[in-house]
Amino acid sequence: EAQVTQNPRYLITVTGKKLTVTCSQNMNHEYMSWYRQDPGLGLRQIYYSMNVEVTDKGDVPEGYKVSRKEKRNFPLILESPSPNQTSLYFCASSVRTGGNVLVANVLTFGAGSRLTVL
Amino acid sequence: AQKITQTQPGMFVQEKEAVTLDCTYDTSDPSYGLFWYKQPSSGEMIFLIYQGSYDQQNATEGRYSLNFQKARKSANLVISASQLGDSAMYFCAMREGTGGYNKLIFGAGTRLAVHP
Repeated sequence: EAQVTQNPRYLITVTGKKLTVTCSQNMNHEYMSWYRQDPGLGLRQIYYSMNVEVTDKGDVPEGYKVSRKEKRNFPLILESPSPNQTSLYFCASSVRTGGNVLVANVLTFGAGSRLTVL
Repeated sequence: AQKITQTQPGMFVQEKEAVTLDCTYDTSDPSYGLFWYKQPSSGEMIFLIYQGSYDQQNATEGRYSLNFQKARKSANLVISASQLGDSAMYFCAMREGTGGYNKLIFGAGTRLAVHP
């Protein structure tokens, strides 16, 4: 089954304790990204990657790191989590399109990882 | 400025009736895509429907249709014959450009409750 898999799904941690949320996709997608969802704000992009070893900041990158060493994996790293990073996190992937043709290129989302930082 | 505005934090509808969820957007890019996603209480994001800025017809997918009014910059989701399973949070999202940089900008969402 084509899917994006995130782990852990739920995590409670304490301020300052480094954690990694893993994301893996089996669709051979070049494009991967991370979003966080907060009430009243919808989803906001944290980081994205256009391909292996190519990553860039989204709209809310502070406090996060990512890496893309393999095409299928795109982990999100919180080096020193703080309570304001308590949120629902989503990984998403798609093919990378080129050219000037407008296409749907729908993002496939993982099931979400609910993180609480105390 | 808000790029995607969903003005209805919550809506309710009677089962089997139709409901419209509002979405307005703001962009100066002539190429853009509009998306609706459903988020049930289990939390996953489920893609419902897509409308491209150059599409002449309103998109439809089963009981979902997108009422696309380009001049008004609105992209309302219409759910016909509501079912109890339609109770969820609904997000409108926009992607500017043709899709190579696949960043979605989301609205705050509308929580829909379907009553029996």
